[in-house]
Amino acid sequence: TQLLEQSPQFLSIQEGENLTVYCNSSSVFSSLQWYRQEPGEGPVLLVTVVTGGEVKKLKRLTFQFGDARKDSSLHITAAQPGDTGLYLCAGGEGGSYIPTFGRGTSLIVHP
Amino acid sequence: ETGVTQTPRHLVMGMTNKKSLKCEQHLGHNAMYWYKQSAKKPLELMFVYNFKEQTENNSVPSRFSPECPNSSHLFLHLHTLQPEDSALYLCASSQDLRAGDYYGYTFGSGTRLTVV
Repeated sequence: TQLLEQSPQFLSIQEGENLTVYCNSSSVFSSLQWYRQEPGEGPVLLVTVVTGGEVKKLKRLTFQFGDARKDSSLHITAAQPGDTGLYLCAGGEGGSYIPTFGRGTSLIVHP
Repeated sequence: ETGVTQTPRHLVMGMTNKKSLKCEQHLGHNAMYWYKQSAKKPLELMFVYNFKEQTENNSVPSRFSPECPNSSHLFLHLHTLQPEDSALYLCASSQDLRAGDYYGYTFGSGTRLTVV
């Protein structure tokens, strides 16, 4: 089983600050997805990246897939309280079609 | 309704009870999944169904029994559970197994299960 390590585990910041969370593995993934999960709800897909070095933007969120397809980062600019939640990354291994999830980064943005 | 709907949202059951969790998706997807989410642990895949056929049983104890009568419905039958089975149980779907890798998974809101 391939492992995905997410860091930091917890992050508490003030509104307006920037932040970056990371998703790392020693294994290569064919694709990588980021989800946000709000308390009491299921994860919601934010983005899928499939090409090494790929960068995708979703409003204030910037996602990057590492050149070697072993890691990814999520950068949030000018965080807002609505960004609060658990950010999960999930790696696809191509042939198995079963994703591996990380433990997540729990983000709290204070007004 | 659209998306993936799970019922009930909350469930408290005794260790000798029998209960069922229900999942329904209105997306026309062909693959459905049960996940267990416990505190401080990654999402744990339990079962996978693709076109109504079970393709994955991730060494789940027999006290959990899945059922997939059609591509839109998925059940998880529970009996003689243990307190350590308390968790958030999430249902998810994807167009098919391959599509999940590239187009992601749609999750329901989950059932918060407490075993007493």
